[in-house]
Amino acid sequence: SAVISQKPSRDICQRGTSLTIQCQVDSQVTMMFWYRQQPGQSLTLIATANQGSEATYESGFVIDKFPISRPNLTFSTLTVSNMSPEDSSIYLCSVTPGPDTQYFGPGTRLTVL
Amino acid sequence: TQLLEQSPQFLSIQEGENLTVYCNSSSVFSSLQWYRQEPGEGPVLLVTVVTGGEVKKLKRLTFQFGDARKDSSLHITAAQPGDTGLYLCAGLSSNTGKLIFGQGTTLQVKP
Repeated sequence: SAVISQKPSRDICQRGTSLTIQCQVDSQVTMMFWYRQQPGQSLTLIATANQGSEATYESGFVIDKFPISRPNLTFSTLTVSNMSPEDSSIYLCSVTPGPDTQYFGPGTRLTVL
Repeated sequence: TQLLEQSPQFLSIQEGENLTVYCNSSSVFSSLQWYRQEPGEGPVLLVTVVTGGEVKKLKRLTFQFGDARKDSSLHITAAQPGDTGLYLCAGLSSNTGKLIFGQGTTLQVKP
């Protein structure tokens, strides 16, 4: 298994500002994922972050809006840029330490006013 | 595009009742994972099923992977209020290596 922490756990932000979310894993992993989950709904993959290369974004998500860093094998950040109320969601990072297993962090609950 | 249809989306039952949640797809998955998520927390992995026809049990929870690896079910026996939460199925795409999530089932078990 893997133990994943995220910071901040929650935040309330003003429209037009940016927030950087940190994800820390207790072991080295090749792939890290960032998801968005709107209240009461399922998870939508934003991007895949591999160490040493640019993140790969899913359809509907762009680097200018959600820049991602992956400086080493245990850490990643996701920035939500120029926020609007529509960005209010839970943001989750996850890792795959082994085949057929994916573990999630506790999430960052973002509210944009 | 691979899709996972999860049903029902909402379920409210009394303590002691049984229930089944279904995930169906027209696509084959390498494996299928079931998660439970409580408010304010991330999804917690319950089980991974890999082999067609596989059945796994976790106390009162029984997970089954269809023979063709296109569908799965979660059966809870004698549900308890502590089972309340959002249940998510997710299939691992053999094409992309990414998880495809179902819409989720919100379960409420009343004492």
